[in-house]
Amino acid sequence: LAKTTQPISMDSYEGQEVNITCSHNNIATNDYITWYQQFPSQGPRFIIQGYKTKVTNEVASLFIPADRKSSTLSLPRVSLSDTAVYYCLVGDQGGKLIFGQGTELSVKP
Amino acid sequence: DAGITQSPRHKVTETGTPVTLRCHQTENHRYMYWYRQDPGHGLRLIHYSYGVKDTDKGEVSDGYSVSRSKTEDFLLTLESATSSQTSVYFCAISVLAGGEEQYFGPGTRLTVT
Repeated sequence: LAKTTQPISMDSYEGQEVNITCSHNNIATNDYITWYQQFPSQGPRFIIQGYKTKVTNEVASLFIPADRKSSTLSLPRVSLSDTAVYYCLVGDQGGKLIFGQGTELSVKP
Repeated sequence: DAGITQSPRHKVTETGTPVTLRCHQTENHRYMYWYRQDPGHGLRLIHYSYGVKDTDKGEVSDGYSVSRSKTEDFLLTLESATSSQTSVYFCAISVLAGGEEQYFGPGTRLTVT
């Protein structure tokens, strides 16, 4: 199972674009890359998922280079409510996702 | 939000007692998961189910058992609770396995004294 590495914490200010990069050197051919957001005292919430190149939804963008050994979650123009922990996951169809420690994002006014 | 409930939401129990946590879904999703979350460890998969009576172990399954007799219910049992099992437990469901989107419940905070 592929392990992920991401920064433990990041700081940003309201209105800025935030990019969180995740390293997954041992990603397998069938693995998807998924990002979750977690607020205190809540379960994680799905943000975005991709397999290659770029994926965009109403919340974020996900950039995946050709070798797929890393990925970058991009949050455009963050607000205070984006303060949360963000998890990068790599998983196959076997159901065994592995959550790392996540990146604690702090957005300041 | 996906229809997932967990019960109880909070529980305090003594070492050595059995504890059962319940996850109930109204989405009729095939896959269900139990995770625990501890400071410094993120979420770790305990067990998961890919159908009624079909379960498999996750990365931290020792000391836990699960059962799924109905599509909507997935039970996590601590046969003899230990202080190391003090944690927040999350249930999740998904339509497809593995890399697909998982929907999480509100969590159960378990304290073993």
